[in-house]
Amino acid sequence: GQSLEQPSEVTAVEGAIVQINCTYQTSGFYGLSWYQQHDGGAPTFLSYNALDGLEETGRFSSFLSRSDSYGYLLLQELQMKDSASYFCAVGGGTGGFKTIFGAGTRLFVKA
Amino acid sequence: SQTIHQWPATLVQPVGSPLSLECTVEGTSNPNLYWYRQAAGRGLQLLFYSVGIGQISSEVPQNLSASRPQDRQFILSSKKLLLSDSGFYLCAWSPGQAEKLFFGSGTQLSVL
Repeated sequence: GQSLEQPSEVTAVEGAIVQINCTYQTSGFYGLSWYQQHDGGAPTFLSYNALDGLEETGRFSSFLSRSDSYGYLLLQELQMKDSASYFCAVGGGTGGFKTIFGAGTRLFVKA
Repeated sequence: SQTIHQWPATLVQPVGSPLSLECTVEGTSNPNLYWYRQAAGRGLQLLFYSVGIGQISSEVPQNLSASRPQDRQFILSSKKLLLSDSGFYLCAWSPGQAEKLFFGSGTQLSVL
């Protein structure tokens, strides 16, 4: 089966850098993705890693180590609007279409 | 550009009543389609996914079912709702091997 673990909560101050870790177990790994969800809204895609290394998209970066079944999301220059839940998700199963989400990490950004 | 439509935004249903939630995608063909459910403050639970018309993979059968009668239409149904069916239902689509999912705005279902 597939399972993911990520911290339940992280708190940081505005302007700081925060890292949200994710470890996963899956058969037929196809990639690790990250989503942001504000209260009452739908998740929105942030980043995706299929290969080892770092992917950078503006203030957000994501890292993957397939040998360690581990990845992280790095948020730089934190802003109050970054307060949200962040989910890692892994694609697996036959053909990689089965996407399972972690329980989510609640990020609180303080002034 | 591609868009995904999901309705209604909120729904209040009595226990034992039927359910039908519809999701449609525009601007693309042969999308992979997904239904997720999210309890308050929790993660997303995969319910069903489909890689083509009439092809449904079920993760949580229980008393829910899904159908894909057309290429860009995905329907979630129940014959008799349970209290435990309450939650935030999200439809999503992806163009390929689920590297990127695009979500609808969701339906908040309350079963009373």
